[in-house]
Order: sequence, then structure tokens, then C-alpha cells
Amino acid sequence: GEKVEQHESTLSVREGDSAVINCTYTDTASSYFPWYKQEAGKSLHFVIDIRSNVDRKQSQRLIVLLDKKAKRFSLHITATQPEDSAIYFCAASMSNYNVLYFGSGTKLTVEP
Amino acid sequence: AQTIHQWPVAEIKAVGSPLSLGCTIKGKSSPNLYWYWQATGGTLQQLFYSITVGQVESVVQLNLSASRPKDDQFILSTEKLLLSHSGFYLCAWSRTGEVFFGKGTRLTVV
Repeated sequence: GEKVEQHESTLSVREGDSAVINCTYTDTASSYFPWYKQEAGKSLHFVIDIRSNVDRKQSQRLIVLLDKKAKRFSLHITATQPEDSAIYFCAASMSNYNVLYFGSGTKLTVEP
Repeated sequence: AQTIHQWPVAEIKAVGSPLSLGCTIKGKSSPNLYWYWQATGGTLQQLFYSITVGQVESVVQLNLSASRPKDDQFILSTEKLLLSHSGFYLCAWSRTGEVFFGKGTRLTVV
């Protein structure tokens, strides 16, 4: 089955800087790549997603890039704020969306 | 607006005892429903999905079972808990890919 690898287990940035989290996947059939945010002790909250028909998507301070050749996708958070501090999970699924494979999570700390 | 309600919020159960966790989705007809498990400090693993009432597909085998008795209800259960079942259980629903999670049930098996 699909394996999603999330490369940074922890990431620390200064407030106002950019943060980048990288993920790779193994199955070329994967076509949907969402990102989720989890604050301490809480559930997951959808952040942004990208589908394989595009290679870039932006929502306010969030940018997702997809490189299908390298089977790599990344989340860029610009102008970081302390409230961006959380664990971020990348995920991948196929076009039927039945199964979502998650990366291991990146703990992002934004220092004031 | 759609809402997802999970119960109970937390459980402490003994090894070998039965378990039943529930999830109800309101405001969305015929949703795709999912169960996920997160070990303490760990990643998320999908356990089951259901496209329609009465049909549940298993993704991983963890000595758990799931059922969908109604369109808006998803139940996770086992007859005998193991220590390894401890963790955070999340129910979720989706529309065209975007998955929305419930607040979760924290299970401690002692």
C-alpha cells in the first residue's frame, strides 16, 4: 500500500519567518494530498489540500506544492504566527478517497 | 451545517473488557464515514471506512470491528480489549475528499 513519509519531525522558526514541511509518497496512483493541523490534546483540523491536476495551491498564508515526478509535496506557511504552532500531518489518497495514508507528523514551534 | 459527535469523550477500560465507541453525523445525508486510531504521540492509522449503511471495509486489522447501523451512525467495537488498543480514536466523514474529524475518544486500557 501507499507509504507517506514526513521528513521533519520537529521544526522551529521565528515569528514572521516561513516554515516548510516536506512529504514524499510511494504510490503513483495517489492523487489527493491534504494537510491537517493538530493542536495539543485536540482532534485534527483540515488546513489545505492539493489534487494531482495542479502543482501549486495557495490559501492566504498557506502554499502547497506538488511534484508528481519526484512524488513529493510540501506545505509552506509564510509569515508564521505563534498560533501556527501545532503538529502538522500530511496525507495521501487515491481518487476514490476511501483510504487516507498519513505521514508521521511535524511538530512546528513558532517562537515569538 | 454538518456536525459530528463522538462518544464517550474518554474511557478507562480493563484489558479483556468489551468496548463500544460511537459517532453520529448530522446535517449530511449518506456521508462516507471513517474510523482512525492515533497511538499516544504517534501518527494516524485508518481502521475502517463505510460508503453506505450496512457496509464497512477494514483497512488494518487491530482486533477491532465496525458497523454502520444507520446512515448517520458509525460504531467501533471489540469484545476483548488489549493494552495496545490504548490511544485516540477519531471518527470522520468526508465529501469529495476533504475529511472532517470529530473531537475523538481517548481510550486508556489498563
